[in-house]
Amino acid sequence: EVQLLESGGGLVQPGGSLRLSCTASGFTFSSYAMTWVRQAPGKGLEWVSSISDYGQSTYYAESVKGRFAISRDNSKTTVYLQMNSLRADDTAVYYCVKAPGSGWYSDYWGQGTLVTVSS
Amino acid sequence: DIQMTQSPSSLSASVGDRVTITCRASQGISIYLAWYQQKPGKPPKLLIHSASTLRSGVPSRFSGSGSGTAFTLTISSLQPEDVATYYCQKSAYDPPWTFGQGTKVEI
Repeated sequence: EVQLLESGGGLVQPGGSLRLSCTASGFTFSSYAMTWVRQAPGKGLEWVSSISDYGQSTYYAESVKGRFAISRDNSKTTVYLQMNSLRADDTAVYYCVKAPGSGWYSDYWGQGTLVTVSS
Repeated sequence: DIQMTQSPSSLSASVGDRVTITCRASQGISIYLAWYQQKPGKPPKLLIHSASTLRSGVPSRFSGSGSGTAFTLTISSLQPEDVATYYCQKSAYDPPWTFGQGTKVEI
């Protein structure tokens, strides 16, 4: 059974940093791209960032480019999202999602971790 | 960037009704479109990928169609458990892999 467990969310002040982690199990982690998707309170889904299977390619939404960094450690079956220079509009539930073997949709989702940016 | 626009933003229908949600891409995306269902307080679930391929385990009352710029998600006979918000997503070509703004389905 595929499981994606996010951690690292919490309350942070504007301008601060936070690192999210997502530990995966139930599939061959190194064979699949991974993605972070966020959802602000009461709002829709926003694609944030994706990373290819071995980490050689990374992609970012314009809204986070230069502030967020995605990475992965295949030996630990974990994907990370380093978030710097956080702003109030980064407040959201952040979901870790697995991509299928082809295409960039999301076939499995974690339960999400809440990031709140507030003073 | 390619924009994804869903309509309507919300709808109310009766149990047993046929429900159709539309998703339009600002440029052609072939069949590279996915549909998700999200119930309150839960993460989204994949329903359909490649515009019309039903994910294993998803009830057959759900179907998808379309290609290029116009896509539809149809629920052939609405059930109480289908109350949710539905999202489309562009799923290939260059990033960003944008979501539509969502369609809330109520009974």
